[in-house]
Amino acid sequence: EVQLVESGGGLVKPGGSLRLSCAASGFTFSSYTMNWVRQAPGKGLEWVSSISSSSSHRYYANSLKGRFTVSRDNAKKSLYLQINSLRAEDTAVYYCARGPLTLWGQGILVTVSS
Amino acid sequence: DIQMTQSPSSLSASVGDRVTITCQASQDIGNNLNWYQQKPGQAPKLLSHAASNLETGVPSRFSGSGSGTDFTFTISSLQPEDIATYYCQHYDSLPYIFGQGTKLEIK
Repeated sequence: EVQLVESGGGLVKPGGSLRLSCAASGFTFSSYTMNWVRQAPGKGLEWVSSISSSSSHRYYANSLKGRFTVSRDNAKKSLYLQINSLRAEDTAVYYCARGPLTLWGQGILVTVSS
Repeated sequence: DIQMTQSPSSLSASVGDRVTITCQASQDIGNNLNWYQQKPGQAPKLLSHAASNLETGVPSRFSGSGSGTDFTFTISSLQPEDIATYYCQHYDSLPYIFGQGTKLEIK
């Protein structure tokens, strides 16, 4: 089955760090650009980051540069998002998505609160 | 960055009504546009790509059209299960930008 499954979310204190993971299955992961998208509670969708198939190109939303790092391991068919210096406004459901966002995972909740 | 203006932000309609949502890009994006449906507590569901290509399994009452800067998404006969928030999103270039969403309710 073609799917993406996120993990690694949870409750984190402000200033803390978190690493989200996304496990891919059912398709040739190494052939696709991959993305992270997030959605704050009750808000719309926000593209966060993209990484090319070979990791040669990485892109971030302008407002998030510096605290977010995207990476991937094609051998493990996995995508990652490292988030540092977490803030309350980073509280959101984080989704991984394939290509031009045509396949999505179910999402993982990150809550930043003391 | 290419901006997406989606309207209306909310819409109340009756079962059987024809419903239309519009999305306008700040510059020409060709047909590089996705439409999504999102129900509470669920991930967005891709309904169409390339502006008008319906995904497999999506009911034929849904349709998308447009190219360049102006796009529409239509539900020809609204059903109770269509209650959701709908988003457009361009993928012409990074950053991918979403419309603000249209919350659809039954009158």
